[in-house]
Order: sequence, then structure tokens, then C-alpha cells
Amino acid sequence: GQNIDQPTEMTATEGAIVQINCTYQTSGFNGLFWYQQHAGEAPTFLSYNVLDGLEEKGRFSSFLSRSKGYSYLLLKELQMKDSASYLCAVSSYGNNRLAFGKGNQVVVIP
Amino acid sequence: DADVTQTPRNRITKTGKRIMLECSQTKGHDRMYWYRQDPGLGLRLIYYSFDVKDINKGEISDGYSVSRQAQAKFSLSLESAIPNQTALYFCATSDQDRGTDTQYFGPGTRLTVL
Repeated sequence: GQNIDQPTEMTATEGAIVQINCTYQTSGFNGLFWYQQHAGEAPTFLSYNVLDGLEEKGRFSSFLSRSKGYSYLLLKELQMKDSASYLCAVSSYGNNRLAFGKGNQVVVIP
Repeated sequence: DADVTQTPRNRITKTGKRIMLECSQTKGHDRMYWYRQDPGLGLRLIYYSFDVKDINKGEISDGYSVSRQAQAKFSLSLESAIPNQTALYFCATSDQDRGTDTQYFGPGTRLTVL
């Protein structure tokens, strides 16, 4: 089976940097996804990591360490619109499905 | 126009009623999924389909059934709705041919069973 753990909530100030962590346990790791979800809306794809290291995409970066079963999403220059839940999801060989964490709620304050 | 659409967007029904939620996509993806989302529990997979003739149970399929009428359409049915099926339901699609199999979600259907 798969076990994915994310902290539940954090508050950060507009313009700041916030790091959202995700740890996972799975056999046959085949990639990790980050999604953003505003309340009551659909999750939207942010990033994908399958190799160790940092992937940068504008204000958002995602890091993966396969040996540690660990990923983080870094949000820079926070904006009010970044207030959302951030979901970590893991893909595994032979499982044919994504396993989602419960999400980390980020609240951006002025 | 949205690539993945769901109908209805909101539905209130009574215990014991049969309900169908529909999902359509114009992305040309082969794979389609149904999830439900409950507060504090995250997204949980109900059923998934990798092509028109392929249907697979997810982690919480009891009380649900699906139909893949065409590559672009995937319907979820609740044969006899019960209150603990009150949730936000999402359809998603993906395309393994692009390597990452990234899933793209529809806008969701908020279902309330009284």
C-alpha cells in the first residue's frame, strides 16, 4: 500500500516564501505530483517529479528525494490568490492509480 | 470551453433514489477516473477506466457503478443513494502516452443525500 503524509495547515504573509512538505512510503515509486485546490473547486496540476532534484516553474518549485521518500513544494512571493489546499499525490508501478495525501491548507494574510 | 465537464454541478436527492453523474472530456485522453472528496479525508478513487472496454474498482467502489459509453464519456451511478454518499465528486482524465500520466480534473459535482 501507499502512505502519504502532509501537515494540515499553515499561515504565511503576502510576499513571503512557504515550503509545504510531503513524505511518502510506497513500493515501485513512479512519480510525485503536486496539485493546487481552491475551496470547492477542482484540483489543478502544478508539478511532477520523478527524478531527484528541484524542478522550477515560475514562483513554484518542487523538490524530490526518492531515497528519503520526501518532497516539498516551495511557493515564492506569496500572493493572496495562493490561499488554497496543496495536494501531494504519488504514482506507483503496477498500481495504475494516484494516491493522494489529505492536503495542506495554506492561508495567505496581508 | 472546459476540457473536462461534469453534470450536474449540484444535486440534492433523497435516500434510496438512483442518481447518475456524468463526465465528458474533449482532451482525447484514454483514461478516466471518478473520485469523491470528503473534508479531512482527501481524494479517494471510486472507479477508473483505461479505455472503453476497461472498468476497474478503486478503493471505495461499494454502492457505486460506472459506465464508459465512449472514449469521451464516463458516468457514475449511485443505485440507491444514502446520506454518507454526500460528498464532492470529481471526474479526471489522463493520457499515459505523454509519459507522466498527469490527471486533469473536472469542476466537480456537489451531491447531497438527505
